[in-house]
Amino acid sequence: SQQGEEDPQALSIQEGENATMNCSYKTSINNLQWYRQNSGRGLVHLILIRSNEREKHSGRLRVTLDTSKKSSSLLITASRAADTASYFCATPRGTGNQFYFGTGTSLTVIP
Amino acid sequence: DTEVTQTPKHLVMGMTNKKSLKCEQHMGHRAMYWYKQKAKKPPELMFVYSYEKLSINESVPSRFSPECPNSSLLNLHLHALQPEDSALYLCASSLPGRAYNSPLHFGNGTRLTVT
Repeated sequence: SQQGEEDPQALSIQEGENATMNCSYKTSINNLQWYRQNSGRGLVHLILIRSNEREKHSGRLRVTLDTSKKSSSLLITASRAADTASYFCATPRGTGNQFYFGTGTSLTVIP
Repeated sequence: DTEVTQTPKHLVMGMTNKKSLKCEQHMGHRAMYWYKQKAKKPPELMFVYSYEKLSINESVPSRFSPECPNSSLLNLHLHALQPEDSALYLCASSLPGRAYNSPLHFGNGTRLTVT
């Protein structure tokens, strides 16, 4: 079973615009990760934010984490056609290095 | 290109066939995973190997049989599959579990079609 819900399910924007996607989860976590998946390919790790961090940046990516609301957001600034992909949040589960993946947001960036 | 290599990229098999999926990584990761992903769905965990020992089996049917011959290789043996087993099978690796979870490194998957 999954514990992350993402919204929107699908997002279509023009190149150059910003894209924001949100992830809500159910249980306490010590970190949250975001992954990108291009069509028919594997997932690629984008960024990890720890529970004691509220915001983190990596290039054009900005991730926020609100542990009181059990939610996170991923902002992609100045989007490019190459950003077209599905984006998943992932939260730890159980012992060891296991994760729940969210339902995913499908982003389409129109050139 | 990823640092986790999966072969074959595509596989079509009949319900009576036996086939194997292969995964290889040379990053020194001691945790390896099999995930199953249906179209427009998130990946679902199937198996976890930690230090070459099976540590997690997510109640996967016995027609899927994992094997970890050494720290770099992970196989998934398939036998008597059903059409509903058609999916993208993803292999991943990471450092073993720690207090702060390590990112997963995924291969590009094997697209499996069961006829």
